[in-house]
Amino acid sequence: AQKITQTQPGMFVQEKEAVTLDCTYDTSDPSYGLFWYKQPSSGEMIFLIYQGSYDQQNATEGRYSLNFQKARKSANLVISASQLGDSAMYFCAMREVSGTYKYIFGTGTRLKVLA
Amino acid sequence: NAGVTQTPKFQVLKTGQSMTLQCAQDMNHEYMSWYRQDPGMGLRLIHYSVGAGITDQGEVPNGYNVSRSTTEDFPLRLLSAAPSQTSVYFCASSYSPGALGEQYFGPGTRLTVT
Repeated sequence: AQKITQTQPGMFVQEKEAVTLDCTYDTSDPSYGLFWYKQPSSGEMIFLIYQGSYDQQNATEGRYSLNFQKARKSANLVISASQLGDSAMYFCAMREVSGTYKYIFGTGTRLKVLA
Repeated sequence: NAGVTQTPKFQVLKTGQSMTLQCAQDMNHEYMSWYRQDPGMGLRLIHYSVGAGITDQGEVPNGYNVSRSTTEDFPLRLLSAAPSQTSVYFCASSYSPGALGEQYFGPGTRLTVT
């Protein structure tokens, strides 16, 4: 069954340092996508980065990179040079291409960047 | 483009009342979905649709109905509201279900059931 797990309810990081948010997943579909979203305190959902299951290279978008380890079924988000504005909830999500097409989310990690 | 719009932004219901949360998108997206967000639970999928006339259940469908008569609209109906349905509801859409892409989210509806 399709499943996303985020085991870190909360994380702290010092401003300008890098931080890794963990995400593991489970699926029997060979074709799927993995996504990260940011939800600031204002409540909107902001798409950050995407990784396809067949992509050979890890995805990067500015200060965000996705550490994709297919054999371990992990898709960790790395934020480099943290900024105060990075303080938010971060959600990992997965979507299967075939089968149910369900788009499911993990329980999230609350990141606090310290000045 | 307005993107994904949701109405109302806030709603208070009494137990047993029914109501419809509206969701519309103007991006011609085939895939639309409804989530509820509760503290510590992340976003849980209620119902989703892969195109007009096609809907399916998500993880927590009980107490909710959906229909998809047009590509643009995907309303969520609460049949008989219960306090356990107090939550923030998000509607989202994305391109073809067979193609991978991010979802675009509406601003959310904060629902309180007393």
